[in-house]
Amino acid sequence: DAGVIQSPRHEVTEMGQEVTLRCKPISGHDYLFWYRQTMMRGLELLIYFNNNVPIDDSGMPEDRFSAKMPNASFSTLKIQPSEPRDSAVYFCASSVTGAALYNEQFFGPGTRLTVL
Amino acid sequence: GEDVEQSLFLSVREGDSSVINCTYTDSSSTYLYWYKQEPGAGLQLLTYIFSNMDMKQDQRLTVLLNKKDKHLSLRIADTQTGDSAIYFCAGARFSSNTGKLIFGQGTTLQVKP
Repeated sequence: DAGVIQSPRHEVTEMGQEVTLRCKPISGHDYLFWYRQTMMRGLELLIYFNNNVPIDDSGMPEDRFSAKMPNASFSTLKIQPSEPRDSAVYFCASSVTGAALYNEQFFGPGTRLTVL
Repeated sequence: GEDVEQSLFLSVREGDSSVINCTYTDSSSTYLYWYKQEPGAGLQLLTYIFSNMDMKQDQRLTVLLNKKDKHLSLRIADTQTGDSAIYFCAGARFSSNTGKLIFGQGTTLQVKP
């Protein structure tokens, strides 16, 4: 398997623009997590899904952020409108129920977002 | 609630041992993990320990768990420049069945030649 795939790897946009980040989890994994990493706040869990259903979105900063998982192999994180303070590295991770190592998460390479 | 705390920065000389510490509040944490994040990359599982263990050794890595003090440590022997990275400890509670891991803030390890 290719691992967790994220696109784009880098995104530079202007304030006010819509940004869409994409994630393809490892095939067969039933959990998908979106994290944000900044120097100031470290690694933050934004939202996670189980079997395509959002379970906990309490980490989503505000209404400008939304996430969807239309099927088991694809998820998006959308920011509309984007602001400079959204600049961060966004990670997607996936895991599978019943894994040999409980709750082990596999991370994608991340999307580095810069909002000017 | 669940919380995991780590010191933010550690600097060592190449060849020395590094010890990265972590404390956690949830005594029900059943599985404790160490993840490594190299520059420009995502997190990767480095090692783990179950709560019924006190110590686990894996080549240059030694994980110590003090359940009484809720303290976890990762020792890297003969630290190399390639060990420079951010190290995250994380916990999972088997009984909660949420699929979540609770991550600490990460410790940046700087290895000087």
